[in-house]
Amino acid sequence: AAGVIQSPRHLIKEKRETATLKCYPIPRHDTVYWYQQGPGQDPQFLISFYEKMQSDKGSIPDRFSAQQFSDYHSELNMSSLELGDSALYFCASTISGVNEQFFGPGTRLTVL
Amino acid sequence: AQSVSQHNHHVILSEAASLELGCNYSYGGTVNLFWYVQYPGQHLQLLLKYFSGDPLVKGIKGFEAEFIKSKFSFNLRKPSVQWSDTAEYFCASQPGRRALTFGSGTRLQVQP
Repeated sequence: AAGVIQSPRHLIKEKRETATLKCYPIPRHDTVYWYQQGPGQDPQFLISFYEKMQSDKGSIPDRFSAQQFSDYHSELNMSSLELGDSALYFCASTISGVNEQFFGPGTRLTVL
Repeated sequence: AQSVSQHNHHVILSEAASLELGCNYSYGGTVNLFWYVQYPGQHLQLLLKYFSGDPLVKGIKGFEAEFIKSKFSFNLRKPSVQWSDTAEYFCASQPGRRALTFGSGTRLQVQP
């Protein structure tokens, strides 16, 4: 069965650079969630989208923005990267009305 | 704000020992509950979930969890652990169909 796809899987950036992470949900899933998991930390919710509109907002820094496109894929844009942004970024998708979220493999971002 | 507490941060067991990992959530309303497992370097995998109905839920790999509403608890159990169960385990709560709130995780180390 198709799963959530995230790209790239690994990304290395310098401080103050920008990064774009992509998430391709399971086909027919209309809702996407972004989570950030720092080293040794639990995943923290950043932001979610339903039908291309922001549906909920968590602890997403102002330096980050995200959107969901017409094909339901989502992109997380990160600017002015800081060392503390080094983390595993997970995307999860679901169909509206279904509670279970399906997680992607994550993008490991390292900021040097 | 809702929160999830996992009181056992690091558990070391021998193979064939029984496992119980504690999880308490704070949300007072209707809540969905999950246990996820994360093997080293890998993404979150769903072990089991509780939405409603029978409070004893069975998941994959021989895991089960019991929802006790009066105690706001959703403890994970396995009668006999294997070396391959070595991983980090996250409990998560979800009010309605919103984002997940994760506990801080329990690192399980099973010694052969």
